[in-house]
Amino acid sequence: DGGITQSPKYLFRKEGQNVTLSCEQNLNHDAMYWYRQDPGQGLRLIYYSQIVNDFQKGDIAEGYSVSREKKESFPLTVTSAQKNPTAFYLCASSSQGDQPQHFGDGTRLSIL
Amino acid sequence: QKEVEQDPGPLSVPEGAIVSLNCTYSNSAFQYFMWYRQYSRKGPELLMYTYSSGNKEDGRFTAQVDKSSKYISLFIRDSQPSDSATYLCAMRVSGGSNYKLTFGKGTLLTVNP
Repeated sequence: DGGITQSPKYLFRKEGQNVTLSCEQNLNHDAMYWYRQDPGQGLRLIYYSQIVNDFQKGDIAEGYSVSREKKESFPLTVTSAQKNPTAFYLCASSSQGDQPQHFGDGTRLSIL
Repeated sequence: QKEVEQDPGPLSVPEGAIVSLNCTYSNSAFQYFMWYRQYSRKGPELLMYTYSSGNKEDGRFTAQVDKSSKYISLFIRDSQPSDSATYLCAMRVSGGSNYKLTFGKGTLLTVNP
């Protein structure tokens, strides 16, 4: 089955620690995205990548980093510089052109 | 003024009711409009995807776009308890390399058996 796989489903971070969230897709999509969802707020774009080895900051990139070394993978690192990392993180992908984005089932990150 | 406004609800209806969900927006450059359904602890699932103004129907779901009023709607006919979820509207401009979506905050819907 084609889809977007995010892992782990739940993740806990200690103070001062970096953590990496995985996102893999087998839809052959060129573009991939990371969003953050907080209670009572809409999805906010963290980073996006339209092609391998290229990515752009979204609206709330501070404290996060990404890489896009392979078409199917777009990992997100939440660094210790992100002071309020507790949230639901969603990865999405889309093909080129005016095609809709499809989402994975998210990773919930909490602080210990 | 926020770019996209969506009534957060919660909205509670009896099974079989017709549900109307709405969003307004301020950016007249938006051309693509989407509705996503999100169950608790899951990612959003694409329900409807429309371009520019007009109606689109898919089973019990109808999406309407009125660009002159900057207003979009999702209607659910014969609502079922399985429709209980948060509904997110999203929109984006057309063309170029800008794929950014702007989301509403979501409306929580409960359909009671």
